[in-house]
Amino acid sequence: DAGITQSPRHKVTETGTPVTLRCHQTENHRYMYWYRQDPGHGLRLIHYSYGVKDTDKGEVSDGYSVSRSKTEDFLLTLESATSSQTSVYFCAISNPQGASDTQYFGPGTRLTVL
Amino acid sequence: RKEVEQDPGPFNVPEGATVAFNCTYSNSASQSFFWYRQDCRKEPKLLMSVYSSGNEDGRFTAQLNRASQYISLLIRDSKLSDSATYLCVVNSPGGNTGKLIFGQGTTLQVKP
Repeated sequence: DAGITQSPRHKVTETGTPVTLRCHQTENHRYMYWYRQDPGHGLRLIHYSYGVKDTDKGEVSDGYSVSRSKTEDFLLTLESATSSQTSVYFCAISNPQGASDTQYFGPGTRLTVL
Repeated sequence: RKEVEQDPGPFNVPEGATVAFNCTYSNSASQSFFWYRQDCRKEPKLLMSVYSSGNEDGRFTAQLNRASQYISLLIRDSKLSDSATYLCVVNSPGGNTGKLIFGQGTTLQVKP
């Protein structure tokens, strides 16, 4: 299995509070991604990073920010959590070379916003 | 129209059965194709890449039809352990972003 960890694995928080999720990799992969997964929607990309300090928005980026100060760490912050952000959050990594875009996923974080 | 469409199922089959899943994608410029497997409350894991000529990995066979923008996965001799959700995945073309587009998944339940 790829060396990807996420923390925390479970979190319950209240509406309006800031929340930061961490993704840590030991594979030295250049690209990192944050997804959320909800019933009826599948996996949706929130933000991604293509290098240290290089990030870009995905399809559902509103209400989220990210930071990547080191190759191995990619942080996702919910600036002011809302109930609609209750979801399972997955981090993924890849090292696209040519046509190989395989992504490897972390174990996920279950976030509940009350 | 969704960029990657799959029949959500569930497909309920007996052990030993052969089952096929299909998927269509909307962007003809996509170049990379995959099937991922996701067990309940777990992360998606790569099952196999899909190549233009079709490819096989044990009991699993993947096919790609670029003209019809159609991908399939065939599972032979189904096992109880094959019960999972199968995600059809294609790359998002344009720029070297490595972005992937995921279908919602097809659920397979293999019964004894």
